[in-house]
Amino acid sequence: EPEVTQTPSHQVTQMGQEVILRCVPISNHLYFYWYRQILGQKVEFLVSFYNNEISEKSEIFDDQFSVERPDGSNFTLKIRSTKLEDSAMYFCASSEGTWGHQPQHFGDGTRLSIL
Amino acid sequence: RKEVEQDPGPFNVPEGATVAFNCTYSNSASQSFFWYRQDCRKEPKLLMSVYSSGNEDGRFTAQLNRASQYISLLIRDSKLSDSATYLCVVRYISNSGNEKLTFGTGTRLTIIP
Repeated sequence: EPEVTQTPSHQVTQMGQEVILRCVPISNHLYFYWYRQILGQKVEFLVSFYNNEISEKSEIFDDQFSVERPDGSNFTLKIRSTKLEDSAMYFCASSEGTWGHQPQHFGDGTRLSIL
Repeated sequence: RKEVEQDPGPFNVPEGATVAFNCTYSNSASQSFFWYRQDCRKEPKLLMSVYSSGNEDGRFTAQLNRASQYISLLIRDSKLSDSATYLCVVRYISNSGNEKLTFGTGTRLTIIP
């Protein structure tokens, strides 16, 4: 069964540094998403991406964050000038569409630890 | 009122028992509903979509009540492998086609041998 893959599985970074989290969505999917989950808290929506542009973003997704689809397969989340509170699991997801009950399929996440 | 509200539990249930979870949502314009399960420190995995008429998948039954803005999940003949956190997920699509998924905090279930 096709799956969403994310790298790295764990990223440790010094506060203030930039990180790039990588995702390879399922190949025929058109909609891409990033979520985060702080330890012990709920999954929170960050951003959705379709047709090479951001379609929706949450209040969490400020100027510190950016997303890119640099080629036909990768979808990246960049966090500039990381803060301690950015420590969380970051999940990438993809879906075929937003109509009906098309679900989002999640990657197994990148654990980001900011020191 | 929280956008998606669930009883966090924990629910500790003996193997073979039936257990039910409830979820309420605040946005009456929400269009699609899902139950995901999440194992400890793992990604959310789709368990089932929730259809307006209710739907069943093996031991799992999901119900939707749009008037009360209420979703439920019933697990029959529970197995040890059912131990997980169950996430109620609501999707809203705006007129511009932008989609937003909102997650509940999850209900933690432990099946006891």
